Amino acid sequence: GAVVSQHPSRVICKSGTSVKIECRSLDFQATTMFWYRQFPKQSLMLMATSNEGSKATYEQGVEKDKFLINHASLTLSTLTVTSAHPEDSSFYICSARGSSGVEQYFGPGTRLTVT
Amino acid sequence: AQKITQTQPGMFVQEKEAVTLDCTYDTSDQSYGLFWYKQPSSGEMIFLIYQGSYDEQNATEGRYSLNFQKARKSANLVISASQLGDSAMYFCAMREGPPTGTYKYIFGTGTRLKVLA
Repeated sequence: GAVVSQHPSRVICKSGTSVKIECRSLDFQATTMFWYRQFPKQSLMLMATSNEGSKATYEQGVEKDKFLINHASLTLSTLTVTSAHPEDSSFYICSARGSSGVEQYFGPGTRLTVT
Repeated sequence: AQKITQTQPGMFVQEKEAVTLDCTYDTSDQSYGLFWYKQPSSGEMIFLIYQGSYDEQNATEGRYSLNFQKARKSANLVISASQLGDSAMYFCAMREGPPTGTYKYIFGTGTRLKVLA
């Protein structure tokens, strides 16, 4: 089956610093990847859609200058949280669109804590 | 307006019993897909079952079945013979639009299922 990895699984950073989260499709090529954010006991909220070789499409209310997304290859998308603040602490999950378009394969998530 | 509605924030079921988790959706698209995911405490999203809007038969995957009632816009998940390992958060999700085009997924608020021994 299709596997998506995320790195790191957990990260703690100081307020004001930037942190990069990687999302990789390990055994398939993903032209489209999605980035979600999940607060405790809440649902997944789509932040942006990342297409290989083009700019990401951000959902309303998501600051594109704060959450930088790069999808430089068919197997890698990165999310960089710039100038992180404690309110950015959350669980970030990526997913990759399968070749059939029917399925999306989720990464295991990254828990970000900003102190 | 909510596009995916899960009205049950929490559910209990006795081990070995069946349980139904409710999901209703709202879309004007003719082509769409409905999914159920399980999220245990570890946080990973586990795909359970998929129903396409044009699929005439209800989807089944092992102990999971999807009760798809298109006219009522409902896509309830039925878990048969519940196991303790089924205790988790369950999310209903919808893909608006055909799978070959540009689309995104919308998730419901989830139902926390607790299986009792």
